[in-house]
Amino acid sequence: KAGVTQTPRYLIKTRGQQVTLSCSPISGHRSVSWYQQTPGQGLQFLFEYFSETQRNKGNFPGRFSGRQFSNSRSEMNVSTLELGDSALYLCASSLAETQYFGPGTRLLVL
Amino acid sequence: AQSVTQLGSHVSVSEGALVLLRCNYSSSVPPYLFWYVQYPNQGLQLLLKYTSAATLVKGINGFEAEFKKSETSFHLTKPSAHMSDAAEYFCAVSSSGGSYIPTFGRGTSLIVHP
Repeated sequence: KAGVTQTPRYLIKTRGQQVTLSCSPISGHRSVSWYQQTPGQGLQFLFEYFSETQRNKGNFPGRFSGRQFSNSRSEMNVSTLELGDSALYLCASSLAETQYFGPGTRLLVL
Repeated sequence: AQSVTQLGSHVSVSEGALVLLRCNYSSSVPPYLFWYVQYPNQGLQLLLKYTSAATLVKGINGFEAEFKKSETSFHLTKPSAHMSDAAEYFCAVSSSGGSYIPTFGRGTSLIVHP
């Protein structure tokens, strides 16, 4: 089976812009979770989608949003980018208790 | 509520030496426990997991971990370090009831000296 894929792998944006990241889960996995990873804060949970519904949410401002499509692919959007949003954004898919991660999208905000 | 503590943000070993990365967890329900490895600019790769079967769990690349309920620990070991083991290692815990969203430790960077 193909693993979790994320596009794009690298992205450079400027403050105030918005960005959309995409994640395709492992075939058959209905849960998709998003994480932000930074050197200072480590891995922080953003949100989880299951069957097109947000099932869990982390402690991030409303600028961070996501959605899931009927084929389980997911997107996350960050509006009004800030310098502190520079991070590695990881997507993970799961069938049950185990999460499988994609390679991540490296976002740099200038 | 659940939490994970990884003792030591950096662990340095010589090639061929024993690798021991420490992880302690807290969980109000029987836990699922995981170790992931992350190489630079990559995602997290599952090394091994404990899901209430055998307490000694064997994973990929020669790693293993032992679940010790009395010590609330899930330490990761490898008998002989290779240069290719140099990476960031994350311990994670999730709960067996409801959502499986894991809580991750802060990570331990493994440095392997020739």
